Amino acid sequence: QKEVEQDPGPLSVPEGAIVSLNCTYSNSAFQYFMWYRQYSRKGPELLMYTYSSGNKEDGRFTAQVDKSSKYISLFIRDSQPSDSATYLCAMTGTAAGNKLTFGGGTRVLVKP
Amino acid sequence: GAVVSQHPSRVICKSGTSVKIECRSLDFQATTMFWYRQFPKKSLMLMATSNEGSKATYEQGVEKDKFLINHASLTLSTLTVTSAHPEDSSFYICSVIQGGSYEQYFGPGTRLTVT
Repeated sequence: QKEVEQDPGPLSVPEGAIVSLNCTYSNSAFQYFMWYRQYSRKGPELLMYTYSSGNKEDGRFTAQVDKSSKYISLFIRDSQPSDSATYLCAMTGTAAGNKLTFGGGTRVLVKP
Repeated sequence: GAVVSQHPSRVICKSGTSVKIECRSLDFQATTMFWYRQFPKKSLMLMATSNEGSKATYEQGVEKDKFLINHASLTLSTLTVTSAHPEDSSFYICSVIQGGSYEQYFGPGTRLTVT
């Protein structure tokens, strides 16, 4: 079993819909959670960074962390074709020495 | 967020030659940099952790004599792929973190093709 599980997709939604992404993990020591967006042939771009459980909102993006269930989510409201990309969750903890453990990524396609 | 550059963005080299990839942190001093490689449609695989002024720490299975890392300053780390072979063809990406933070910022990546 992988340490971080993420559905590879592809997830296809119509423009304007809410995109819902999630990851599950097994290591209870993870405390810091990140979501990255990666366009084809580009480096990952940090979208959201959260510490411990709770919600965080930034524009059209909302990140949720439920440590009791070992489950994190990213919601994208009013999705645009430019949101079409691969979304990677990543996480780490103080014992990991800043090393990130990544999910496999979910490919998202927003159709106009 | 941090601004990270990589040079070159893509490189083609012949088998047996060496290639150097530069990673620069443009807007803060990065005490730690990471090097990853990524295969098509796959997630990132950590190769090594680079700390300024000390030897890099390599992940299990990564040959340190083949992938030479030099973190000579707080804004520059280099990855040299020595005696490159076609199986070294990949997308290489660096990332930086600022001291005391867990947020990692990635460079745009370097696509290496070995013929």
